[in-house]
Amino acid sequence: GAVVSQHPSRVICKSGTSVKIECRSLDFQATTMFWYRQFPKQSLMLMATSNEGSKATYEQGVEKDKFLINHASLTLSTLTVTSAHPEDSSFYICSASRFAESYEQYFGPGTRLTVT
Amino acid sequence: QKEVEQDPGPLSVPEGAIVSLNCTYSNSAFQYFMWYRQYSRKGPELLMYTYSSGNKEDGRFTAQVDKSSKYISLFIRDSQPSDSATYLCAMEGGYNKLIFGAGTRLAVHP
Repeated sequence: GAVVSQHPSRVICKSGTSVKIECRSLDFQATTMFWYRQFPKQSLMLMATSNEGSKATYEQGVEKDKFLINHASLTLSTLTVTSAHPEDSSFYICSASRFAESYEQYFGPGTRLTVT
Repeated sequence: QKEVEQDPGPLSVPEGAIVSLNCTYSNSAFQYFMWYRQYSRKGPELLMYTYSSGNKEDGRFTAQVDKSSKYISLFIRDSQPSDSATYLCAMEGGYNKLIFGAGTRLAVHP
């Protein structure tokens, strides 16, 4: 149980275009979903927290107009990188929490974004 | 100063060795402590979690928390090549947000 998927696993896009990444909880309803980015050989940095049906909460320094998060249902959250630039190239990972009071997060396999 | 400090390694050990991985932290309010394993180009998977101080054992893995020293450890006994991965410590920093260490890269060679 507690499986989280991400799609696509890898995407290459041109500078200036937008890319959407999907995060799904396959066998449970996720009260909260989190989006992280990870640069090579570095740790995970939390970008934003989203709850179903409400606006995402962004961490300091993360541009909400650039990284659009939609959490339309209890099993799906999407991250759209708008007007992507090469410096947005990174590994994006989502996680989901089953219970509102739970610290346990289940991570997706990640999406490798390369902006050319 | 980072809230969570973790030596990035790499750490290379022979198969069968006991591995010790550690993190220190600065915020005494942390109560939940976790260890994740991340294989290359994959998402992290939860290995163990501990609440407050003490030890927890699960098979070959033992997690220890010393809140007085703000120090947590993960021990791996009888290490295997399949244990080769990056190990991330994480702490719950309020509102269910996790704060991760930098991760330690471990290589277990046959």
